[in-house]
Amino acid sequence: NAGVTQTPKFRILKIGQSMTLQCAQDMNHNYMYWYRQDPGMGLKLIYYSVGAGITDKGEVPNGYNVSRSTTEDFPLRLELAAPSQTSVYFCASSYSPLNTEAFFGQGTRLTVV
Amino acid sequence: EDKVVQSPLSLVVHEGDTVTLNCSYEVTNFRSLLWYKQEKKAPTFLFMLTSSGIEKKSGRLSSILDKKELFSILNITATQTGDSAVYLCAVEAPHSGGYQKVTFGTGTKLQVIP
Repeated sequence: NAGVTQTPKFRILKIGQSMTLQCAQDMNHNYMYWYRQDPGMGLKLIYYSVGAGITDKGEVPNGYNVSRSTTEDFPLRLELAAPSQTSVYFCASSYSPLNTEAFFGQGTRLTVV
Repeated sequence: EDKVVQSPLSLVVHEGDTVTLNCSYEVTNFRSLLWYKQEKKAPTFLFMLTSSGIEKKSGRLSSILDKKELFSILNITATQTGDSAVYLCAVEAPHSGGYQKVTFGTGTKLQVIP
């Protein structure tokens, strides 16, 4: 029972590089979310999706893009990485739209140097 | 701007102690308050509270919400070393952008020593 799987677990990027953080869930959840967690700060919502083909911006979407071609996968793309994007990124999914009992992935620690 | 404030920021207790973690919030159109436990990596869901005065309980953990005072507490009795974690409080409210905005506090780091 895998739940929410994120890859990679950690990555170092140079300024200006691009990368995609992968997220997959096997619970057939329609709702998926990407959060970032900065040291000493709460989680902030980057993007969310209410189903395959539907995505929308959260609180801090600038510098990121997402796609949702299938129910299972919700990749997060960073274009032109900046030091301000150094953070831990969490993907989550839930059955309901209320974030109730959201299941989180193990996180991706990203450092931009 | 929506705000969630947790206290204390960190806490060290001995096994067997009882702890109370606090969460206060200022949110427009409050819908629910959520508690999560975050160990080394992913947060795991503990409780969702929507109504004042109704205690939610799970084993040694319990939580209650006071919507008048905009406050919630998370109690852990007979603490164990496995309770060591960061406890996150989050408040959910509909956002004008059309999504359910969840505002997280910065967490309370609990360390339980033998």
